[in-house]
Amino acid sequence: QSVLTQPPSVSAAPGQKVTISCSGSSSNIGNNYLSWYQHLPGTAPKLLIYDNNKRPSEIPDRFSGSKSGTAATLGITGLQTGDEADYYCGTWDSSLSAVVFGGGTKLTVL
Amino acid sequence: QVQLVESGGGLVKPGGSLRLSCAASGFTFSGSYMSWIRQAPGKGLEWVSYISSSGNTIYNADSVKGRFTISRDNPKNSLFLQMNSLRAEDTAVYYCAKPLTGRSYTFDYWGQGTLVTVSS
Repeated sequence: QSVLTQPPSVSAAPGQKVTISCSGSSSNIGNNYLSWYQHLPGTAPKLLIYDNNKRPSEIPDRFSGSKSGTAATLGITGLQTGDEADYYCGTWDSSLSAVVFGGGTKLTVL
Repeated sequence: QVQLVESGGGLVKPGGSLRLSCAASGFTFSGSYMSWIRQAPGKGLEWVSYISSSGNTIYNADSVKGRFTISRDNPKNSLFLQMNSLRAEDTAVYYCAKPLTGRSYTFDYWGQGTLVTVSS
């Protein structure tokens, strides 16, 4: 059971938009910055979003992040088959004194 | 460019020990917090441990407290994870991860991982 809750899977057609949710509590998302990671099997995870809504320079603006209270959302527009991957949210939990991740969401581009 | 290369994984029996290493290059290792994060087969990412740049501050996940010890050798740009009393549930790919500059829990670089298998 992960501290942060994500849907196990989402799917959409190429070119469409998808959102992935991440919910937590005041001890984690509510009071700390949230990040999103993309993970393809057999590769190193990649940072997509940090500080809730900022993108590293190499990440295209098709990827966006937002946060409201104890919940966050990753948005991906213009879906491509190459976006098929597992997506994780992560942050610090001040009560646990631990880094916490969501359980991951598998994105399928139909 | 930043490189993180893990080593030391392998097959070990339950109750055994293993020491993982991570060789870092391309950034100021001595100024960076570092973490170990793992992924068990078919499971999600699980943070294991982090250590401050000086080594004076360490946090561990409850699942490894008392069994795993993170450490670092700044002159040698190396990070370590000593794993004792290993259990089947410790079987995972272990990643060394560097936080974004100025952050401690946002990871912008990850190694390729090293596989630890705990089985009799």
